[in-house]
Amino acid sequence: NAGVTQTPKFQVLKTGQSMTLQCAQDMNHNSMYWYRQDPGMGLRLIYYSASEGTTDKGEVPNGYNVSRLNKREFSLRLESAAPSQTSVYFCASSAAIGRGYEQYFGPGTRLTVT
Amino acid sequence: GQQLNQSPQSMFIQEGEDVSMNCTSSSIFNTWLWYKQDPGEGPVLLIALYKAGELTSNGRLTAQFGITRKDSFLNISASIPSDVGIYFCAGTFNNDMRFGAGTRLTVKP
Repeated sequence: NAGVTQTPKFQVLKTGQSMTLQCAQDMNHNSMYWYRQDPGMGLRLIYYSASEGTTDKGEVPNGYNVSRLNKREFSLRLESAAPSQTSVYFCASSAAIGRGYEQYFGPGTRLTVT
Repeated sequence: GQQLNQSPQSMFIQEGEDVSMNCTSSSIFNTWLWYKQDPGEGPVLLIALYKAGELTSNGRLTAQFGITRKDSFLNISASIPSDVGIYFCAGTFNNDMRFGAGTRLTVKP
């Protein structure tokens, strides 16, 4: 099992460009998440998908959109990148939402917006 | 919203020493989790705690869920060089999960 995989590992964008970050899991998990990690701030939830066909906003959703393509895949899109979106992005998955369902993380995508 | 205060921010210790770090919040959580992140990798779950007062060990790691449900600590005994990394606490309440800012641990051989 590969667990949670993310592509690309690194990306540099110019302000205003768009891109999609891809995430896939092979653990048959129902729930998937997108986080951003900034120095000194821990991880902050951008969007999550409790199950296939549903998505909900997290703590910092502005400037992002998501698509739960199927049970395995959950993508994050930046329509018009801004320097404030320079961050490390992590995808995670869990069997279900809530108490007792631990999240498993991918290796991250390091995004720089100039 | 619910915020987690994790301390210390960083620690520099000698190999063999014990380490203690903690997280506190002004709000209660249903679950406390401790993760470790190595450079260039995603966080990996170390210990999960599900009820107030629970004390759980995983090898040299021990963590406790505070009685008030507003805090948790993680202890590492007899540290070794591969313990180096960033340790994060996380608390969950219903469908919401919040992370502390992390404790960066450096172990000198």
